[in-house]
Amino acid sequence: GESVGLHLPTLSVQEGDNSIINCAYSNSASDYFIWYKQESGKGPQFIIDIRSNMDKRQGQRVTVLLNKTVKHLSLQIAATQPGDSAVYFCAESGANSKLTFGKGITLSVRP
Amino acid sequence: DGGITQSPKYLFRKEGQNVTLSCEQNLNHDAMYWYRQDPGQGLRLIYYSQIVNDFQKGDIAEGYSVSREKKESFPLTVTSAQKNPTAFYLCASRRDRYTGELFFGEGSRLTVL
Repeated sequence: GESVGLHLPTLSVQEGDNSIINCAYSNSASDYFIWYKQESGKGPQFIIDIRSNMDKRQGQRVTVLLNKTVKHLSLQIAATQPGDSAVYFCAESGANSKLTFGKGITLSVRP
Repeated sequence: DGGITQSPKYLFRKEGQNVTLSCEQNLNHDAMYWYRQDPGQGLRLIYYSQIVNDFQKGDIAEGYSVSREKKESFPLTVTSAQKNPTAFYLCASRRDRYTGELFFGEGSRLTVL
């Protein structure tokens, strides 16, 4: 039978489309948030971060949106490419400075 | 180039044996971290160190030990007391406990036979 926890949620998008990856965080005191990308067998790579005094931040082809009211974080990737296929993690940090990671979402890009 | 180096990349061990995973950084970062990753799971914090000669337990410290004798080095020992040690282990560093993102190494995959 299927084992719980072995399969991450998956988002499948067409190459060239925009991707939106969502993350709900738990701690209302968290004041710093990061998105990471992890390719198979490698360590996570930093994508973009945002502090709680902002609600939007843009990078190259990526935008992070923060909604503190509903404790929601999203990562938008413009013009998704095959190289964007990976697992994406959000992480939050508060006064204790420890970063807590979500379980991750697999992004699959269809050619 | 500056970065974090983990070794070995792959490691096999028999049950009952201790094993030490190496993590070295040349980023001059004060804070260093060890995470464990299981298939389909997020990263869980094992231990972290915010300064030399000091470290704290994370969420899943049982069966693990660390030392921080030098700023650039933070080795992790997986002891025989760890009941399910097969996993992917990630080391990370941060400029200090409050500032910026974590920089990760490429990971060490430990398999217990």
